[in-house]
Amino acid sequence: QQQVKQSPQSLIVQKGGISIINCAYENTAFDYFPWYQQFPGKGPALLIAIRPDVSEKKEGRFTISFNKSAKQFSLHIMDSQPGDSATYFCAASMGETSGSRLTFGEGTQLTVNP
Amino acid sequence: DGGITQSPKYLFRKEGQNVTLSCEQNLNHDAMYWYRQDPGQGLRLIYYSQIVNDFQKGDIAEGYSVSREKKESFPLTVTSAQKNPTAFYLCASSIDWPGLAAFFGQGTRLTVV
Repeated sequence: QQQVKQSPQSLIVQKGGISIINCAYENTAFDYFPWYQQFPGKGPALLIAIRPDVSEKKEGRFTISFNKSAKQFSLHIMDSQPGDSATYFCAASMGETSGSRLTFGEGTQLTVNP
Repeated sequence: DGGITQSPKYLFRKEGQNVTLSCEQNLNHDAMYWYRQDPGQGLRLIYYSQIVNDFQKGDIAEGYSVSREKKESFPLTVTSAQKNPTAFYLCASSIDWPGLAAFFGQGTRLTVV
């Protein structure tokens, strides 16, 4: 019940295309869902996050879609650029008793070709 | 500048040695975390601390130890009991509640030689 499943493991997109990464969870106690972007040799950096009381959140070219009933959420990167090439992690945290303790998906390695 | 500083960036350990990874934050965050990253396995939680002088085991605590004597510092010791210590280690901190995303350091790559 603690797991977050992420797919695909790797993704190749052409410049200007849409990148879509999906995550699914089982534990309905999760109430905060951030996405992280990680470049090689660096620590993950927070990209965008959502709470389950909204179905979509957009920040620039990045959008999170959230489906509470299906226990799924996804990251959409519009107009993908070569600079977006990185590993993306979805995550979830459980609420007051666990603070910001995060459970991570396995990661998606995104390559955007010029 | 506020942030999380991990040192060293690269660390080499001989078989049977204990090594300590440093993590310092000046964000005034209450909570701190240690994660281990292996290829294809995402980030796995080793230990976390929500307040000074208190810490909890994460999902893969065996072979590791921590201390939290100061709010800004959360060192991780990789002991000789950790049989497969070669990995990328990430320290993070956060406001404990309401739950917010953690901020990460730049990592320490530990290699057993």
